[in-house]
Amino acid sequence: DAGVTQSPTHLIKTRGQQVTLRCSPKSGHDTVSWYQQALGQGPQFIFQYYEEEERQRGNFPDRFSGHQFPNYSSELNVNALLLGDSALYLCASSDRLAGGPYEQFFGPGTRLTVL
Amino acid sequence: KNQVEQSPQSLIILEGKNCTLQCNYTVSPFSNLRWYKQDTGRGPVSLTIMTFSENTKSNGRYTATLDADTKQSSLHITASQLSDSASYICVVSRYGQNFVFGPGTRLSVLP
Repeated sequence: DAGVTQSPTHLIKTRGQQVTLRCSPKSGHDTVSWYQQALGQGPQFIFQYYEEEERQRGNFPDRFSGHQFPNYSSELNVNALLLGDSALYLCASSDRLAGGPYEQFFGPGTRLTVL
Repeated sequence: KNQVEQSPQSLIILEGKNCTLQCNYTVSPFSNLRWYKQDTGRGPVSLTIMTFSENTKSNGRYTATLDADTKQSSLHITASQLSDSASYICVVSRYGQNFVFGPGTRLSVLP
């Protein structure tokens, strides 16, 4: 089991550009959550997807959008990039139907730098 | 406001020593509290998960405590190792909602 994988590892963009980040969940997981982590800060929840729909959303503007595919993989899209979007973007997967407090497994993240 | 605070912000200890990290939260309705370890530039890795009814849980040299009445938690690391150098993040889950992350405590273990 490869666990949660994310691509690319690093990305450099300029202001105003658009970016797409990708995530493949851990085998058996149907739910994907995305987080933004600025340097020296804790992760901030962006949104969560399951059954190919956005189910919950944090306090992020509409420039941040996502998608989940039938194989449970997910994309995070950010339009009109700002310097403040520079961060580590983390994907976490979980099994929504697992009993008890479900575990979230995090990927290694994508480091986005906006110049 | 649903918040998670952690102290200290950073900590330096010598290899072999013990340390305790603190977490205070105002999140409600409370579902569970988790501690994660995050190496620099990597994704967080779960250490412990505690529900309302649990007041202590161990994972090797890591022991977490929870006082749901005072809304406080601690993570105790015993006999620290160089590999313990990382950020430790306290995360509180709300019922039917997603997670609220603390800012983390940066631990450095020196030889």
